[in-house]
Amino acid sequence: GAGVSQSPRYKVAKRGQDVALRCDPISGHVSLFWYQQALGQGPEFLTYFQNEAQLDKSGLPSDRFFAERPEGSVSTLKIQRTQQEDSAVYLCASSLVGYRTEAFFGQGTRLTVV
Amino acid sequence: DAKTTQPPSMDCAEGRAANLPCNHSTISGNEYVYWYRQIHSQGPQYIIHGLKNNETNEMASLIITEDRKSSTLILPHATLRDTAVYYCIVRVVGLEYGNKLVFGAGTILRVKS
Repeated sequence: GAGVSQSPRYKVAKRGQDVALRCDPISGHVSLFWYQQALGQGPEFLTYFQNEAQLDKSGLPSDRFFAERPEGSVSTLKIQRTQQEDSAVYLCASSLVGYRTEAFFGQGTRLTVV
Repeated sequence: DAKTTQPPSMDCAEGRAANLPCNHSTISGNEYVYWYRQIHSQGPQYIIHGLKNNETNEMASLIITEDRKSSTLILPHATLRDTAVYYCIVRVVGLEYGNKLVFGAGTILRVKS
């Protein structure tokens, strides 16, 4: 596709439920990022992949959060035993690797935990 | 990554130039200045970036002071569709850094007719 695609666009989960959020990056983009954006705040970094390798997961808030990109293209962010504080927009971005490269963001998945 | 300081909000009349300031007094020599914007219910969108020279593209101009401690994003003829949150970010760019973005609170720009 022409841009970064995320699905679903909206997800309502009951507290304690597991969720999986999908990201389809731009074809050929080596780098893939996940960000979390709480209401009224700027996005916060969660994790980074270069191809299938997860090189930085320093932003994942707890061990309930898990991300994978097994074939170096599509990525899934999984949240286990969701809690109300997990409610946020989850943004995926992809980019080429190298100097002076820009990141392209998807529209995000809005997760609401009730 | 160095921190940036931006005003929380600004208003601009439609058709006029919007000048968005950003302070980055602790910027290092190998850090670039990037600008992104986020329109309501969308993901952030890249606008422009620069190291020390002024830059211009089809969306905006970026003016960086000689000491690189501050910069200004200029939207030459603002339209209602430019209403968004604008983020100024400084970051090191290179293969080994992962190119992650550290967002602050940004500036809410309201373009009014």
